[in-house]
Amino acid sequence: DTEVTQTPKHLVMGMTNKKSLKCEQHMGHRAMYWYKQKAKKPPELMFVYSYEKLSINESVPSRFSPECPNSSLLNLHLHALQPEDSALYLCASSQAPGGAAYNEQFFGPGTRLTVL
Amino acid sequence: DQQVKQNSPSLSVQEGRISILNCDYTNSMFDYFLWYKKYPAEGPTFLISISSIKDKNEDGRFTVFLNKSAKHLSLHIVPSQPGDSAVYFCAAIITDKLIFGTGTRLQVFP
Repeated sequence: DTEVTQTPKHLVMGMTNKKSLKCEQHMGHRAMYWYKQKAKKPPELMFVYSYEKLSINESVPSRFSPECPNSSLLNLHLHALQPEDSALYLCASSQAPGGAAYNEQFFGPGTRLTVL
Repeated sequence: DQQVKQNSPSLSVQEGRISILNCDYTNSMFDYFLWYKKYPAEGPTFLISISSIKDKNEDGRFTVFLNKSAKHLSLHIVPSQPGDSAVYFCAAIITDKLIFGTGTRLQVFP
């Protein structure tokens, strides 16, 4: 199984809502990532989890709250988002952070988020 | 400040010919470079990578060249096929971070 799955595929939420994005992989990868991609822009790194611990937070606003309950799951909790947060949110995983094993990240299909 | 740049937003190539996608970077500390391919409504798919200590890596129809003195890398696809039509991102790794370039949309026509 070389797949990263993400749910939901699409999400529309109001600025006062609380929602969560989910990501799952069963490749035994120990590094997982959240990226944000705006239209016609490259993916931008948000968070890195290494062995279920948050290792990198790219100065992301606190209205985005990541969680890694176990080595296969990664969540992104959303609260009080702004319309400019509308984007494609991509999850990825890799065998481990750092070194040659790092260099291939497997990406999920993304969640298309619209904030009204 | 865009550390990884792809100056051609689009490229159109005839089927069977060579596609050359270019990428420039500014940070000499990058230690790995990768190319990803992205179809609409899908996540990026890894294609090929190269370590900063090498100047060439080949995998089937895909070859990546690295010129460290020029801080430039390129992806050659030969022969190009219609199924290669997608957006291609180069990316660089530094201290556990993957930094993507701006992307080039490749269209391969019959």
